[in-house]
Amino acid sequence: AQTVTQSQPEMSVQEAETVTLSCTYDTSESDYYLFWYKQPPSRQMILVIRQEAYKQQNATENRFSVNFQKAAKSFSLKISDSQLGDAAMYFCAYRSSNTGNQFYFGTGTSLTVIP
Amino acid sequence: DTAVSQTPKYLVTQMGNDKSIKCEQNLGHDTMYWYKQDSKKFLKIMFSYNNKELIINETVPNRFSPKSPDKAHLNLHINSLELGDSAVYFCASSQEGRKLFFGSGTQLSVL
Repeated sequence: AQTVTQSQPEMSVQEAETVTLSCTYDTSESDYYLFWYKQPPSRQMILVIRQEAYKQQNATENRFSVNFQKAAKSFSLKISDSQLGDAAMYFCAYRSSNTGNQFYFGTGTSLTVIP
Repeated sequence: DTAVSQTPKYLVTQMGNDKSIKCEQNLGHDTMYWYKQDSKKFLKIMFSYNNKELIINETVPNRFSPKSPDKAHLNLHINSLELGDSAVYFCASSQEGRKLFFGSGTQLSVL
């Protein structure tokens, strides 16, 4: 199984500020996909952003952007202009192209937004 | 219409019982999954299944079994429930692994 590591169990950010969540992964593959999912207290898992490994350009979705460093196997999520609704657990995920489309998740980072 | 729906949302049962959780997706996706989220929020893949292949995570006890009557359904059967089975179970689906769509989860409590 692939390994996805999120080294920050908890993070906090002031409303309107910027925060970066870290993620590293271990793989010997060259073709794969990376994701960030958000889980608010409602428990629903929501896709935040997706990155294909073959694309050099970092993905962005409104206030959310990633810093994808393929050689370093790093995939961090930046949240700009943080809002109260951003408070949630954030999970980094890896999807191999070679193992039946299985998705592997990190242990999550709990983000608190301070008003 | 809910894209991935699972029932029930909550399930409380006694140790030793057998229970099932149902999952249906109306997205026409080719692969369905079951994940277990423990009390520390760790998401662990249990099974992935498409019409060609069932992949079972080697750490899943054989008391857990997926049943797929058709492409749109992947139910989870659990025999002889144990206290450690208490968790939130998520069903999910994807088309060619592009992204995962999750159900709302089933919180299982074994007493």
